[in-house]
Amino acid sequence: AQSVTQPDIHITVSEGASLELRCNYSYGATPYLFWYVQSPGQGLQLLLKYFSGDTLVQGIKGFEAEFKRSQSSFNLRKPSVHWSDAAEYFCAVGAEGGNQFYFGTGTSLTVIP
Amino acid sequence: ETGVTQTPRHLVMGMTNKKSLKCEQHLGHNAMYWYKQSAKKPLELMFVYNFKEQTENNSVPSRFSPECPNSSHLFLHLHTLQPEDSALYLCASSHIPEGGYTFGSGTRLTVV
Repeated sequence: AQSVTQPDIHITVSEGASLELRCNYSYGATPYLFWYVQSPGQGLQLLLKYFSGDTLVQGIKGFEAEFKRSQSSFNLRKPSVHWSDAAEYFCAVGAEGGNQFYFGTGTSLTVIP
Repeated sequence: ETGVTQTPRHLVMGMTNKKSLKCEQHLGHNAMYWYKQSAKKPLELMFVYNFKEQTENNSVPSRFSPECPNSSHLFLHLHTLQPEDSALYLCASSHIPEGGYTFGSGTRLTVV
């Protein structure tokens, strides 16, 4: 069955510290992988996506993610977190050319001064 | 502004009311979606429209009725809702086959 697991419900980091949000997926075909961010009261904004090619992908706002097929993971990273990065982060997986995507339950990020 | 506009942003309705949520996109996308977001639960896909044709209905109760008059507009008609239907309803669009969603800001629905 297709699923996405985000093991960390909530993470707190200090401003300027590095960040890694975990995402593991279960998918029967070649996965398309996404990370979205949601600020309070807002919809989801696409941070980055992986379809094929280089397994390290760069996104907006200084985020990057690495696809590791052997570990079925697509972890999101940022070298130095800013207070404005506090939000909810969602990982999603889908199929090439498909239109149904499966989302994780999200990781809530708090940034402390 | 993401290119996907949802109205209203907030809606409070009684259990006997009838209301509609509206979604509009001018991104040239050919697929549109309704998602329900409840606290501590994964996003739930409700309906999918490809080129105005409904292709998915994930066991959604009949008190939710979608309508897609053209590839730019999507509605969700609501009637005789239950308090557990209170949630954030998100509209999204995408271009098949490239994939990847653009989401609207959502409608926060409260059923009283």
